Amino acid sequence: DAGVTQSPTHLIKTRGQQVTLRCSPISGHKSVSWYQQVLGQGPQFIFQYYEKEERGRGNFPDRFSARQFPNYSSELNVNALLLGDSALYLCASRQQGRSSNSPLHFGNGTRLTVT
Amino acid sequence: GENVEQHPSTLSVQEGDSAVIKCTYSDSASNYFPWYKQELGKGPQLIIDIRSNVGEKKDQRIAVTLNKTAKHFSLHITETQPEDSAVYFCAASITGGATNKLIFGTGTLLAVQP
Repeated sequence: DAGVTQSPTHLIKTRGQQVTLRCSPISGHKSVSWYQQVLGQGPQFIFQYYEKEERGRGNFPDRFSARQFPNYSSELNVNALLLGDSALYLCASRQQGRSSNSPLHFGNGTRLTVT
Repeated sequence: GENVEQHPSTLSVQEGDSAVIKCTYSDSASNYFPWYKQELGKGPQLIIDIRSNVGEKKDQRIAVTLNKTAKHFSLHITETQPEDSAVYFCAASITGGATNKLIFGTGTLLAVQP
C-alpha cells in the first residue's frame, strides 16, 4: 500500500515568492495534517483538515494557508516567503474515526529552501 | 503552554547495549504518546505508541513506559543494532476532539556503534 506522498521533494524559492506544496494521504484516510520541521528540531503543527474543513491551526502567520480536496488530498500554500520559512514540510494522514485515536502517518516531506 | 522536553539530545551506545530516551510533558490532559524514528532524508516513522490507560507497552526490542503522575514517558530499545541509528522523537497529544495535534520533543540522535 502506498504511504503518504508529497510533491515536490525539494524546492528552492526566493524571498517574497509564493509556494504550493501537495500531499496525497494514505488510501482511506480522511484527515490530513501539515507540520513544519526546522533543521535540528521536532515537527511543529501547522494545520489539520478533515472532510475538507480546517479542524485546527498552529501558531503560524496568515501567510500560511491550506485546503483539502474532495479526494482528501491537500495543498499547503505559503505567501511572501521569508528566509525563516526554510524547512522540511511534512504532511501526515490518519483515519479520523469517532475516537480520533488512530495513529498519524507521515510522508517524507518537501524540503523548501528560501534564498 | 504545551511543551514536551526530551533527553538526551545525543546518545551513543555499543551494538547490543540498551538505549533509553526520556520525555516529560506539561499538559496533564495529554492522553496519547507516540514515538517516531526519523532517518536521514525521510519523514518520521511511527515505531510505537501508548495511551494513558496503559503503563507499559512492548513490541519486540522496543518498549515504552508511562508515568502519568510524574508526566514522564520513556522509550527503551534493547539489543541495539546499527540500523537503530536515527533521530527519535517523542510526542504528546490530547485525543477525543476534532483536532489531534502532536507536540513533539526536540529529538534524540541515537548512534549505535558496531
